[in-house]
Amino acid sequence: KQEVTQIPAALSVPEGENLVLNCSFTDSAIYNLQWFRQDPGKGLTSLLLIQSSQREQTSGRLNASLDKSSGRSTLYIAASQPGDSATYLCAVRASSNTGKLIFGQGTTLQVKP
Amino acid sequence: DTEVTQTPKHLVMGMTNKKSLKCEQHMGHRAMYWYKQKAKKPPELMFVYSYEKLSINESVPSRFSPECPNSSLLNLHLHALQPEDSALYLCASSPIWGSGNYEQYFGPGTRLTVT
Repeated sequence: KQEVTQIPAALSVPEGENLVLNCSFTDSAIYNLQWFRQDPGKGLTSLLLIQSSQREQTSGRLNASLDKSSGRSTLYIAASQPGDSATYLCAVRASSNTGKLIFGQGTTLQVKP
Repeated sequence: DTEVTQTPKHLVMGMTNKKSLKCEQHMGHRAMYWYKQKAKKPPELMFVYSYEKLSINESVPSRFSPECPNSSLLNLHLHALQPEDSALYLCASSPIWGSGNYEQYFGPGTRLTVT
């Protein structure tokens, strides 16, 4: 059974700092991995999708990496801003699981001015 | 256009009421989903529709009744809900359902409060 873990559960950093969010999964048989952002009481915004054959994806100040063999992904945020404060969720689509998205518990990020 | 829309944004209903949530997408996606999300928890899958047919029901109580009238529209009919059903209800869509490499797009959600 695929399980997804995100560490840390919460993170508080000063503005301008570079930071890394971690996501690990137990079954390497995946189609892809998505990183989402969720503001309080809002829906999920897809940030990056990494296909199983890819090693990383970049969008602006965000860079996501994928090491399928070790079951790990990281989301790197450069030069963090207060507007980056939100909960970040990673989710994998397991190829053995009819395509369901399996979510981690999320990392809640606070960037202080 | 990669937008999934949901109405209403907020809904307060009594335990004897009947109400409906609506979701719409115009991306030509053939799979649509309902998720339930409680505070500080990740979304939990409730239903999946593929080509307007129900493909997945995650053992959801019958007081939640999904409907997919056409490929762009998804409804969730609510009846005789309990206070513990209060949550954020999220709709999502994707090009297909099942095997393959594709992305899911989520709507803004409906905040439901059952009194």
